[in-house]
Parts: sequence; C-alpha cells; structure tokens
Amino acid sequence: AQKVTQAQTEISVVEKEDVTLDCVYETRDTTYYLFWYKQPPSGELVFLIRRNSFDEQNEISGRYSWNFQKSTSSFNFTITASQVVDSAVYFCALFFGNEKLTFGTGTRLTIIP
Amino acid sequence: KAGVTQTPRYLIKTRGQQVTLSCSPISGHRSVSWYQQTPGQGLQFLFEYFSETQRNKGNFPGRFSGRQFSNSRSEMNVSTLELGDSALYLCASSFYRALGDTQYFGPGTRLTVL
Repeated sequence: AQKVTQAQTEISVVEKEDVTLDCVYETRDTTYYLFWYKQPPSGELVFLIRRNSFDEQNEISGRYSWNFQKSTSSFNFTITASQVVDSAVYFCALFFGNEKLTFGTGTRLTIIP
Repeated sequence: KAGVTQTPRYLIKTRGQQVTLSCSPISGHRSVSWYQQTPGQGLQFLFEYFSETQRNKGNFPGRFSGRQFSNSRSEMNVSTLELGDSALYLCASSFYRALGDTQYFGPGTRLTVL
C-alpha cells in the first residue's frame, strides 16, 4: 500500500523552540516525490519543498530544514527558532506512479508566544 | 506571476441543489487537479485534467464531475448535493503533467450544504 503517515496530530511549543514534524511514507515505487505543504488558517496550501527519491541530500532554507532518509522511509521537517507565524497545519505528501498526491493527515502546529 | 485563483470563495447550498466551482491556474500551467478536504477524510484527490482531458480520477461518485477549457481554466460540478459534500475544495495547478511536478494550490472554495 502506498500511504503517508504523520503520527503527530497536534504539537504545541513555546516560541523560539525548535520543533520537528515527522513523516513516514510507504511506496513500492523506486521513483517518487515527497512534498511538504503548510496550511495556515486561511486554508490555502502553501508549497514548502519537493524532494525526489534519488536525492537524499538534506536541505536547509532559512529556519526550515528537511531530513530525508530512504532507509527509514522518513522525510522529517524541522523548524528552528519557531515563530508565531509558523502556526499552521503541515502536510507531508507523496507523489508516485499514478500521478496524484497522497497526503498525510497533517500535523497541527501551535507556537505559543 | 498571479497564483491559482478559485471562485467563489464561499458558497452555501441546500441538499439536492447543484454547484459549479471555478479554478484559474497559474499562467502557463496546463495541469489542474481538484481535491476535497474534510475534517473526517482529510485531503482526497478528486480528478486531474490536462489539455482538456481528464487523465486521473479519485474514488468519488459520479455526482462529482469536472472539465477543463482550452485556456486551462477548470470547473468542477457537484450535482444533487448531500450534507456530506460540505468541505473545502482545493484546486492545484502544475506546469506539465510529468511525474513529480510541483502542484500549487489556490485558496479553496468552502462549500456548506444545509
């Protein structure tokens, strides 16, 4: 079965703390893509990152970083020095052979000022 | 470059009615996908269009349909509305239909069925 699991339903941290959102995926395909999206209260899904299955390099973008490990089928997302504006629901998604995005159930992140 | 736009943003309908939602993709994007988001089922894929052809479809009843026009704009239609159709409907566009093209989402249309 091809699916994405985000075990953390809700996380709350105090502002300036670091926080890691977990994503575990299952697929039999050797070629696939992984994504993270942010959904603020306004509802729009905002694209954060895209990673293909052949590129296991970790990526850092400002306060955001991503750790992709094929050995554990995980694609975790870390926010460093969290800010109130980071409060949102974050979705991990998998794109594989049948050409549709399969989303995890999302993690609601609340940053407490 | 303007993002994906969806109209209307909010809609209230009653059971049995039908509704049409509209999506304008990012300029130059040719693929449009539709998703339904509900608290219970999460984000679910409805269908995808490319060059006016439906290329992929999710597990939704035939009451849900869509189309794409030559300018890549897309509409989705839901007939005989049910209470369970209340949801946020999200449209996403991508440049092409290659595997893994990033999909950019619009703000969504929030449909409430009374």
